[in-house]
Amino acid sequence: DQQVKQNSPSLSVQEGRISILNCDYTNSMFDYFLWYKKYPAEGPTFLISISSIKDKNEDGRFTVFLNKSAKHLSLHIVPSQPGDSAVYFCAASVPSGTYKYIFGTGTRLKVLA
Amino acid sequence: SAVISQKPSRDICQRGTSLTIQCQVDSQVTMMFWYRQQPGQSLTLIATANQGSEATYESGFVIDKFPISRPNLTFSTLTVSNMSPEDSSIYLCSVVGPISDTQYFGPGTRLTVL
Repeated sequence: DQQVKQNSPSLSVQEGRISILNCDYTNSMFDYFLWYKKYPAEGPTFLISISSIKDKNEDGRFTVFLNKSAKHLSLHIVPSQPGDSAVYFCAASVPSGTYKYIFGTGTRLKVLA
Repeated sequence: SAVISQKPSRDICQRGTSLTIQCQVDSQVTMMFWYRQQPGQSLTLIATANQGSEATYESGFVIDKFPISRPNLTFSTLTVSNMSPEDSSIYLCSVVGPISDTQYFGPGTRLTVL
């Protein structure tokens, strides 16, 4: 049972436009959500996170939105740059004190110059 | 964030052999984890590496296949034992703490089993 889902395996966006990556989850106990970016041959790099007590968190070009009622979060990248081309994973954490995350299957973003 | 290194970065191994992967952190951390990413798949947690005690394994992973050591707060090893082609994956360590609650990942070890 996939508790964290990224239904779009890939996304192409023109440079300068907005990229929107989506993530759905099923477990209402998740209380902390994160986005990671992964380049080939590298480990995932932490991008941005959001606590379940918030509905928006912003860091530069990256904004994460959380809709708890819909069990949905999204990552907005504005403006998109060619260097943003990577695989993006969303992850969710259960408040168990174990710091364990459950990852989505990833979305490959390609930003076209 | 902590600087995390893994050795080896990649390896090609024969079926039936074992490989030990090292994870070194430049500062003491609270938690260390080992993940596997099979081709085209998500990251799957193998186990939590506990300092000075046995690792805590996730469902579907066992100590005989993936023995883990964590002798101190900056170092851990994962061994992939009696390998088969199905073990071909990227193996990643990640750490938490002591200041942040966020997991940070090492660069990964790309393992190919022939």
